[in-house]
Amino acid sequence: GQQLNQSPQSMFIQEGEDVSMNCTSSSIFNTWLWYKQDPGEGPVLLIALYKAGELTSNGRLTAQFGITRKDSFLNISASIPSDVGIYFCAGQLQYNQGGKLIFGQGTELSVKP
Amino acid sequence: SAVISQKPSRDICQRGTSLTIQCQVDSQVTMMFWYRQQPGQSLTLIATANQGSEATYESGFVIDKFPISRPNLTFSTLTVSNMSPEDSSIYLCSVGNWANTEAFFGQGTRLTVV
Repeated sequence: GQQLNQSPQSMFIQEGEDVSMNCTSSSIFNTWLWYKQDPGEGPVLLIALYKAGELTSNGRLTAQFGITRKDSFLNISASIPSDVGIYFCAGQLQYNQGGKLIFGQGTELSVKP
Repeated sequence: SAVISQKPSRDICQRGTSLTIQCQVDSQVTMMFWYRQQPGQSLTLIATANQGSEATYESGFVIDKFPISRPNLTFSTLTVSNMSPEDSSIYLCSVGNWANTEAFFGQGTRLTVV
């Protein structure tokens, strides 16, 4: 089946540093979504991308939909302790199945104050 | 975004028993999905809950093990049947709308089978 390869698996950074993570696939996606999951909670949507090449920001977060439609990245600038959590990319293959997603393996972010 | 409530939030169950998880949304939604997240893993789609008809299951998941109901546009249930320790996971309800690709999640149900 389709897979999303997300990297890195984990990151340990100092507060104030920038963070970058990405997802790649052999399949073409129509939508890329980025989620954050805190312990004991469900994933929370951070950014949604709909068009190849699209670059979208949400505060300190910036994500891009790759030109080939097979990849996406998420950047977090000037990290703070509350950025700690697991970040997931998710892709949707077909427009008419809103919410049916394939998830990456996740990137666990740790921020040292 | 829709507000999604799942019940129970967590449970510890004996093997061989069944647990029904409820998902309630505060607005009508076209699409409802059930995902499983095994310990330390990513999310895997179990099935699409279809209103008024049988759910559509993904490869590796079957109706006898994970029966799903969706009586209306705001409510769905997932039952984990004849549980074994391998079923210990977080089960998540997700909602979306037709042709709207954003998906929102409930807080999940953390199931431990002993």
